[in-house]
Amino acid sequence: GNSVTQMEGPVTLSEEAFLTINCTYTATGYPSLFWYVQYPGEGLQLLLKATKADDKGSNKGFEATYRKETTSFHLEKGSVQVSDSAVYFCALRNTGFQKLVFGTGTRLLVSP
Amino acid sequence: NAGVTQTPKFQVLKTGQSMTLQCAQDMNHEYMSWYRQDPGMGLRLIHYSVGAGITDQGEVPNGYNVSRSTTEDFPLRLLSAAPSQTSVYFCASGSGQGGLDEQFFGPGTRLTVL
Repeated sequence: GNSVTQMEGPVTLSEEAFLTINCTYTATGYPSLFWYVQYPGEGLQLLLKATKADDKGSNKGFEATYRKETTSFHLEKGSVQVSDSAVYFCALRNTGFQKLVFGTGTRLLVSP
Repeated sequence: NAGVTQTPKFQVLKTGQSMTLQCAQDMNHEYMSWYRQDPGMGLRLIHYSVGAGITDQGEVPNGYNVSRSTTEDFPLRLLSAAPSQTSVYFCASGSGQGGLDEQFFGPGTRLTVL
């Protein structure tokens, strides 16, 4: 079946530090991959996506590259800000299907 | 353009009570879905709909009913609430053909069942 595994949090960083949140997946076929962000008290928002191998999704300084050989989609940012504190969810959707499969989420805490 | 709206934001029920969580979207999306979010388990799909009059079960459908009489609305019904249904519930709608592009999430309903 399809599944997504994320690193456990919380991830605690100081402002301007480098961020990596690991995500690996198991899927049949060729899924699309997503990162969603959930700010406190809010719903999920799409942060970035990649639809095929070697694609790089990017948005707001965050990046993730679809690595088929390692079945990974790790989220990175070169310099985090306090405002990036949130929960980050990795997700996949298989070709032709609408259903999203989510990881368990990783909480990021950034201190000044 | 309000996006996806959910009501209520908070609700406390007693075991055995019934209620309906409301979800509406004004983006003319065909695809809508309900998730529940529990600590350490991410989001799990309860029910989904690919258009008015069409619904299907997700990963955790037991104890929940849905209907889709219009494109805009997708209510979630709890027939007899149980403490195991204490959770945060998110409604989402999808753009693109069959919802295959971005999915937009509502702000959530926090439900406590005593």
